Amino acid sequence: QVQLQESGPGLVKPSETLSLTCTVSGGSVSRGSYFWSWVRKPPGKPLEWIGEMYFSGDTNYSPSLKSRVTISADTSKNQFSLNLTSVTAADTAVYYCARALHTSPFGLVPLGFWGQGTLVTVSS
Amino acid sequence: EIVMTQSPATLSVSPGERVNISCRASQSVSSNLAWYRQKPGQAPRLLIYGASIRATGFPARFSGSGSGTDFTLTISSLQSEDFAVYYCQQYDKWPPAFGQGTKVEIK
Repeated sequence: QVQLQESGPGLVKPSETLSLTCTVSGGSVSRGSYFWSWVRKPPGKPLEWIGEMYFSGDTNYSPSLKSRVTISADTSKNQFSLNLTSVTAADTAVYYCARALHTSPFGLVPLGFWGQGTLVTVSS
Repeated sequence: EIVMTQSPATLSVSPGERVNISCRASQSVSSNLAWYRQKPGQAPRLLIYGASIRATGFPARFSGSGSGTDFTLTISSLQSEDFAVYYCQQYDKWPPAFGQGTKVEIK
């Protein structure tokens, strides 16, 4: 069974770049035709889909975050990463990495496997 | 973008009671609707997909119904582990969107 684990700094200063890594075990980020996603939950607000990466490297991003987000993979380490630039307090959230429930070349698949989440606070 | 609206925001329920949670989409999402359960301090867990298909590990007391714009999650007899927040999510059109969540709390 695939397992995911987020890692990265818990505190980021305003205007800097938030960088998180998701380490995958029990599956490969570069094989299997799956989408790999990032989702966040700000305090007191609902879940928000950030974006996703196909096993081929193709990406889709939320329109509201597209100008600041990059999702990429390090296949040698079986990891994928999230970079969010120019952060503000509004980016404070628990960040989750996740994998699609089943394969699809089109995306738009429910998220069947999730990491435990990591809290990132944006503050000076 | 499709907006998902859940109701109610909070439900106060006694163990053993039946629960219905509503989710409405701002436009048709066909049957491309999922439900997640999130317990405090834990990641969301996929509960229902395809509007009515139970995910692995969830018992028959959970059921989903609806298509198009109106959907319902039903828990036939609430157990202690079901006190949590429930989110609906459409995955019919990009970007995928979650509802604001329904908190099921102990009465």
